[in-house]
Amino acid sequence: DTEVTQTPKHLVMGMTNKKSLKCEQHMGHRAMYWYKQKAKKPPELMFVYSYEKLSINESVPSRFSPECPNSSLLNLHLHALQPEDSALYLCASSQDGTGVPSGNTIYFGEGSWLTVV
Amino acid sequence: GQNIDQPTEMTATEGAIVQINCTYQTSGFNGLFWYQQHAGEAPTFLSYNVLDGLEEKGRFSSFLSRSKGYSYLLLKELQMKDSASYLCAALDSNYQLIWGAGTKLIIKP
Repeated sequence: DTEVTQTPKHLVMGMTNKKSLKCEQHMGHRAMYWYKQKAKKPPELMFVYSYEKLSINESVPSRFSPECPNSSLLNLHLHALQPEDSALYLCASSQDGTGVPSGNTIYFGEGSWLTVV
Repeated sequence: GQNIDQPTEMTATEGAIVQINCTYQTSGFNGLFWYQQHAGEAPTFLSYNVLDGLEEKGRFSSFLSRSKGYSYLLLKELQMKDSASYLCAALDSNYQLIWGAGTKLIIKP
């Protein structure tokens, strides 16, 4: 099972709303990632959690707040977003945060399409 | 600085062979990934190379030359469903993925 599950698949929210994106994997992976992808652009790394601790925050605005309740779950809490935050948000996981060959393959979820109105 | 270069777009014919090139400059190197991404969908893993040489997986093969900072993805017996963007990404010394902009591959009948 090489599955990363994201919910919801589509989310429309107003600029004053508070919502959350959820991600789950049961592959025993210890590194989990949030990426943001705009149309026709490669994914941009937002956050990396390694062994349930935030290891990388790529200067993401505080209106995005990640949370890792346990090794299988990763949330992205959204508050006071702007229309330019509309994008595909991708969750991914890998065995760990090191470059172990093949063990570090990064698997993506199907993504959550976010529209901010 | 860190940089990944790959062509923006390529066109090929169904049944043919196409090679998508990728050159990289990164702070350290811990391997190179190729991902396929269909429009509106998430990227899916194709290959990972960390040693020089060719890795073959069915119709897809990936090649790496660390000394030249160069990789290619070779697709054989092209099918219409291979129309997608192909993303090259290098893992740097901090184990962060540095992504190329992607190559849009158009397959014609």
